[in-house]
Amino acid sequence: GAVVSQHPSWVICKSGTSVKIECRSLDFQATTMFWYRQFPKQSLMLMATSNEGSKATYEQGVEKDKFLINHASLTLSTLTVTSAHPEDSSFYICSAYAVGGGEGYTFGSGTRLTVV
Amino acid sequence: GDSVTQMEGPVTLSEEAFLTINCTYTATGYPSLFWYVQYPGEGLQLLLKATKADDKGSNKGFEATYRKETTSFHLEKGSVQVSDSAVYFCALIPNSGNTPLVFGKGTRLSVIA
Repeated sequence: GAVVSQHPSWVICKSGTSVKIECRSLDFQATTMFWYRQFPKQSLMLMATSNEGSKATYEQGVEKDKFLINHASLTLSTLTVTSAHPEDSSFYICSAYAVGGGEGYTFGSGTRLTVV
Repeated sequence: GDSVTQMEGPVTLSEEAFLTINCTYTATGYPSLFWYVQYPGEGLQLLLKATKADDKGSNKGFEATYRKETTSFHLEKGSVQVSDSAVYFCALIPNSGNTPLVFGKGTRLSVIA
């Protein structure tokens, strides 16, 4: 079945540094990538939607200059948390959508970011 | 707007007990409905889905039936196991195509031996 590889699984970084999270679709082409954020014991909140080759569309309240999303190819999308702060600590999950891709939506395994 | 409401947890059951997690939705048109499962520290895995009214999705002993008249998609399992302990999310896609899933808040299930 369709697989999305998300890396890193967890990362600890210092306040003020930037962290890049990658999601790769391994055996299909992801026309759209959704990026979610999940706080402890809460649901997933959509951060942004990116289509290959286009600028990402951010949800209200999400700072696009802080959460940089790149979807330069049909198999790779990245989320960069710039100048991270402790309040950015969270679980980030990507979800790829492929036209004709079986179940349609495939989730990465998530990245737990801790900013100290 | 479109939304999903699911019963709040946590739910704690003994092994082999019957499980029901309620899920209702609000949507225009005819959404597709899903149940996802999240094991500790992991991403989401699709558990089952239904794309039209009266469809029943099933997988690993879990079932859910798309009930348009009650706008519900309740998750059931006849006999839970310790390995079923996880967080379960009900979700919908408002329309076909590459629109994002709308999730419920999740229900944490703990099964004790």
